[in-house]
Amino acid sequence: QKEVEQDPGPLSVPEGAIVSLNCTYSNSAFQYFMWYRQYSRKGPELLMYTYSSGNKEDGRFTAQVDKSSKYISLFIRDSQPSDSATYLCAMSRTGANSKLTFGKGITLSVRP
Amino acid sequence: NAGVMQNPRHLVRRRGQEARLRCSPMKGHSHVYWYRQLPEEGLKFMVYLQKENIIDESGMPKERFSAEFPKEGPSILRIQQVVRGDSAAYFCASSPQQGVDTEAFFGQGTRLTVV
Repeated sequence: QKEVEQDPGPLSVPEGAIVSLNCTYSNSAFQYFMWYRQYSRKGPELLMYTYSSGNKEDGRFTAQVDKSSKYISLFIRDSQPSDSATYLCAMSRTGANSKLTFGKGITLSVRP
Repeated sequence: NAGVMQNPRHLVRRRGQEARLRCSPMKGHSHVYWYRQLPEEGLKFMVYLQKENIIDESGMPKERFSAEFPKEGPSILRIQQVVRGDSAAYFCASSPQQGVDTEAFFGQGTRLTVV
């Protein structure tokens, strides 16, 4: 079993839709949970960063962590064509700048 | 303030040659991480370095791969005697320090193709 599993894609939605992206993990030592966005041929950029369980909101993005179920989610409201990218979940034991374990990523396409 | 700079952006090597990938961290950053992204795979941690020290190399293949981050100059990821399976995108990230609230910033990657 992989340490981090991410829903397979690709995912295509119409503009304005609510998008839900999910990851599960098996290592209970993970304490820090990140979502990265990666445009084609670019490096990943940090979108959201959450410590332990709970919700965090930033504009149209909401990250949720449920440590009891080992399940994390990223919600994108009012999705825009500019949100079209690959989204990667990542986790670590000791912080956003330490050794990260990534999911495979899911490619999202938002249709105008 | 320039971001994390990686060069070259694209590198083609024949089987058996050596590949050298360079990473210049952001100004003031002394921590560097290397990740590899194989086709259809997520990023895999390879190595974590501070200036002149390898802190964690648990993700590095046992043979042919090495990394350094000298006191002066960029961090180098070196792959000797490359094979087709080494074809991937290699990303480095840097951070100013280790700490729970400090983000690591990624470079644009070097895409290695072994022919």
